[in-house]
Amino acid sequence: DAGVIQSPRHEVTEMGQEVTLRCKPISGHNSLFWYRQTMMRGLELLIYFNNNVPIDDSGMPEDRFSAKMPNASFSTLKIQPSEPRDSAVYFCASSPSRRATIGQFFGPGTRLTVL
Amino acid sequence: AQTVTQSQPEMSVQEAETVTLSCTYDTSESDYYLFWYKQPPSRQMILVIRQEAYKQQNATENRFSVNFQKAAKSFSLKISDSQLGDAAMYFCAYRNYGGSQGNLIFGKGTKLSVKP
Repeated sequence: DAGVIQSPRHEVTEMGQEVTLRCKPISGHNSLFWYRQTMMRGLELLIYFNNNVPIDDSGMPEDRFSAKMPNASFSTLKIQPSEPRDSAVYFCASSPSRRATIGQFFGPGTRLTVL
Repeated sequence: AQTVTQSQPEMSVQEAETVTLSCTYDTSESDYYLFWYKQPPSRQMILVIRQEAYKQQNATENRFSVNFQKAAKSFSLKISDSQLGDAAMYFCAYRNYGGSQGNLIFGKGTKLSVKP
């Protein structure tokens, strides 16, 4: 079991550039979550999908952020245009079901730095 | 809305000793799940232990155990025989049982240091 895979692990970009973060959930998991972690705000849920359908995107900070899940094995989080305040660690997590008792499996995260 | 509070930003324990990390939460639901996650310097979030609210018995996973007090809305984590590898950030998390809420609500975390 490869676990949740995220790429890239580190991303450094300049303000105004487009950033795309990628996630491959664990095979068979039908819920996928995107989180952002900063020192100031801790861990925040941005959006989550169930069976590839966005269920709750109320955590998406603004229109610059968008997320897609075109199929069960792939999701993207895009920031366009990026700003320095977007610098954070972005986690993707998956679980077998919305009602799973086993918690969520997290990927290693993508550390984003926007200069 | 549910909230999770970890009142100890930092804790320290001597190797081989026992330490307890505190967590309280607020909810009007009767059925829910509680979790403790560990985040080492590698940044990966690792599930340590979980508790279903309808179960009275406290969950145990090897050296990790919880003290779940439903009436008090308290969910503390006890680490026995602490090891150097236990040093990490620990996050308490809450999740509703059903409905459309599948996401976790996290506390701010407790940074645990283990002294040799």
